[in-house]
Amino acid sequence: QKEVEQDPGPLSVPEGAIVSLNCTYSNSAFQYFMWYRQYSRKGPELLMYTYSSGNKEDGRFTAQVDKSSKYISLFIRDSQPSDSATYLCAMREETSGSRLTFGEGTQLTVNP
Amino acid sequence: EPEVTQTPSHQVTQMGQEVILRCVPISNHLYFYWYRQILGQKVEFLVSFYNNEISEKSEIFDDQFSVERPDGSNFTLKIRSTKLEDSAMYFCASRQNGPEQFFGPGTRLTVL
Repeated sequence: QKEVEQDPGPLSVPEGAIVSLNCTYSNSAFQYFMWYRQYSRKGPELLMYTYSSGNKEDGRFTAQVDKSSKYISLFIRDSQPSDSATYLCAMREETSGSRLTFGEGTQLTVNP
Repeated sequence: EPEVTQTPSHQVTQMGQEVILRCVPISNHLYFYWYRQILGQKVEFLVSFYNNEISEKSEIFDDQFSVERPDGSNFTLKIRSTKLEDSAMYFCASRQNGPEQFFGPGTRLTVL
């Protein structure tokens, strides 16, 4: 079983739609949950992170973590064509180093 | 806004040659990382570096890889004898004390 699983898509939505991106994981020691955005052949750009379970909102973006289900989500409201990118979830443990373990990434296209 | 920079953006080398990839982390950051992303695959952790020594490395980071912080600003990844399978995007990342890791734009390494 992969440590972090993420549906690679591609996901195509119309402008203004609500987008839901998800990851599941198997390592119960993960405590930090990050979402990165990556444009083609560029470096990952940190969008937001959550510690342990709960929700976090930043503008049009909301991150949710359900540790009991080992499931995390990123919601994008009022999606824009500029949101078209690959979205990567990444996770790390709290105590045993700070390496990030990434999902495969979901490719999102928002159509005008 | 401070950012991680990497040079060169693209490096082409012959199999068996040594390459050095360079990174300038964000200036007040304390922890430094190298990750790689083979085309079409997930971002993978290579090594983390803190207080002038390796703090963690993955199974990918074998004896042909080394890292160095030769001065107060640069952080380098050396691959001693490149193989075809080393072709990938290499990302440098850094963080201060919090969990957020900030990534550079990457160096695309092509081994012929």
